[in-house]
Amino acid sequence: DAKTTQPPSMDCAEGRAANLPCNHSTISGNEYVYWYRQIHSQGPQYIIHGLKNNETNEMASLIITEDRKSSTLILPHATLRDTAVYYCIVRVGRKLQFGAGTQVVVTP
Amino acid sequence: EPEVTQTPSHQVTQMGQEVILRCVPISNHLYFYWYRQILGQKVEFLVSFYNNEISEKSEIFDDQFSVERPDGSNFTLKIRSTKLEDSAMYFCASSSGDRGRYEQYFGPGTRLTVT
Repeated sequence: DAKTTQPPSMDCAEGRAANLPCNHSTISGNEYVYWYRQIHSQGPQYIIHGLKNNETNEMASLIITEDRKSSTLILPHATLRDTAVYYCIVRVGRKLQFGAGTQVVVTP
Repeated sequence: EPEVTQTPSHQVTQMGQEVILRCVPISNHLYFYWYRQILGQKVEFLVSFYNNEISEKSEIFDDQFSVERPDGSNFTLKIRSTKLEDSAMYFCASSSGDRGRYEQYFGPGTRLTVT
């Protein structure tokens, strides 16, 4: 199974962009990268996913390196409500394997 | 916007009792999942379900657990004889599978407390 590595925590100032890195050096050619977040003990929330091209939606942008060994989730204008644990997941089959994620704290 | 719902939000039960956790997935979704999260720990996959059968399950999902889609809208997780270590948040999720879209949408969870 492809594993991901994320920093355990990071702070971000409100209104600034938050850039969340993720390493997935053992990813296979047909495996997608998914990003989720979990606010306190709520259900994980889907953010975005991608295979090889960069992706953008109303929540975030996903930048995947050309060799696909790493990716960056960008929250363009962080708000206090973006404080959460962010998970980078390489989907294997249908299941999602959550790691410890990155605790992001957005400060005023 | 359609969302996954779960009931009850909190269930307290005694050890050895059976519990049924209920979920209503997003209506046109075809793939269904259960996950759990013990307090302070990672979210763990339990089981995936498609076309009225289990497609994948984890080591956690032993004979004490079962899933069912009793009608066209509900998806349930049954724990036959609860143990103290079953205390956790249980999350249901669903995905459409339409045009290769497998992102999973999670419900708010059921907090199960076994005493």
